[in-house]
Amino acid sequence: QVQLQQWGAGLLQPSETLSLTCAVYGGSFSAYYWSWIRQPPGKGLEWIGEINHSGSANYNPSLKSRVTISVDTSKNQFSLKLSSVTAADTAVYYCARVGEFYMDVWGKGTTVTVSS
Amino acid sequence: QSALTQPRSVSGSPGQSVTISCTGTSSDVGGYNYVSWCQQHPGKAPKLMIYDVSKRPSGVPDRFSGSKSGNTASLTISGLQAEDEADYYCCSYAGSLYVFGTGTKVTVL
Repeated sequence: QVQLQQWGAGLLQPSETLSLTCAVYGGSFSAYYWSWIRQPPGKGLEWIGEINHSGSANYNPSLKSRVTISVDTSKNQFSLKLSSVTAADTAVYYCARVGEFYMDVWGKGTTVTVSS
Repeated sequence: QSALTQPRSVSGSPGQSVTISCTGTSSDVGGYNYVSWCQQHPGKAPKLMIYDVSKRPSGVPDRFSGSKSGNTASLTISGLQAEDEADYYCCSYAGSLYVFGTGTKVTVL
């Protein structure tokens, strides 16, 4: 039974860098891509990007200039950094496992608020 | 890449069927047989209900079914039950990236 546990700072000021980490427990880490998705309050889901165990990453073009996703295979963890945040980046951020072109296991979500 | 278009809401009585559409382009929905559907209850993480257009993960009731025609995918819930009331999102692979739908609220009357 694969489980994803995520954590990170929940309150940021404008212009700071958002930093979240997701740990994978159970199952194979190297056989999958691992993704970040966010959901602003009252709105829909937005795919941020993904990474595999070798560090090959793909990003949403709309966020690519501010996003870095990295991986630590020694700990079965992957991380998200989003720079120069604004109020528009306020959202629940989810990590997820990517099966063959679908997200099949999700973390519980981390609420991130950007406010001065 | 624009979000896939879904109706804002659909509703039905217990036992009835409802269908949610998900319209994209030839660059996403129409270009790949990699459409998935997630269910999200308030305050909870999304749950995968359909993948690869029409396949159901283990444990998902067979009341949930998916299909695709051209640039539009559809999710049908047959024999609607109270616990099916939730938000539903489609998601399509679009060549090294993914696009989600705008989301549909299903209400059980």
